[in-house]
Amino acid sequence: AQSVAQPEDQVNVAEGNPLTVKCTYSVSGNPYLFWYVQYPNRGLQFLLKYITGDNLVKGSYGFEAEFNKSQTSFHLKKPSALVSDSALYFCAVRDSTGTASKLTFGTGTRLQVTL
Amino acid sequence: GAVVSQHPSRVICKSGTSVKIECRSLDFQATTMFWYRQFPKKSLMLMATSNEGSKATYEQGVEKDKFLINHASLTLSTLTVTSAHPEDSSFYICSARSPAGGSYEQYFGPGTRLTVT
Repeated sequence: AQSVAQPEDQVNVAEGNPLTVKCTYSVSGNPYLFWYVQYPNRGLQFLLKYITGDNLVKGSYGFEAEFNKSQTSFHLKKPSALVSDSALYFCAVRDSTGTASKLTFGTGTRLQVTL
Repeated sequence: GAVVSQHPSRVICKSGTSVKIECRSLDFQATTMFWYRQFPKKSLMLMATSNEGSKATYEQGVEKDKFLINHASLTLSTLTVTSAHPEDSSFYICSARSPAGGSYEQYFGPGTRLTVT
């Protein structure tokens, strides 16, 4: 079974400071990893994904994430946070084996960026 | 590209009635669509996987007869909540996967807020 852990319910950061939202995963095969953002009463917006290749993945809105196989982590980062980044962030994983596209989501981390 | 719409965005219905939610892929053909349910301050729970032209595959614990899913075409899947009860009140989100190779990610709709009174 595949699983995702987001250990922080909420992350608070001041605007202009770097931010990190943590994610660890568990799959039986090689992972496909994703980050999504959700604004209030909205669906999920895709930020970035890791499938293969470079461990550092760059995505939308200046976000990036680093795949670390030994630590089974895929933390989301941004060098300089904006107030508009405040939202709910979900990490998701899919096992690369098999034909199903079933994603397993973490419980979400609320990012609060303040002035 | 890769836009998924849902209709309605909000619906309020009385207990015992049925509600249909539509999920459409607007600019691509989706052989597979997914239906999720999201409780307040909780993660997304996959309810079922919908494949065009075949029966949906439901996750364990999801009542097939209560949550009817129809994937009638490559651009439309519907979720019907039958005999709705207040505990069915939730935020329902669909997603679609394009059959085009290499994309992997799912494209999500904006969600439908269902309130059963």
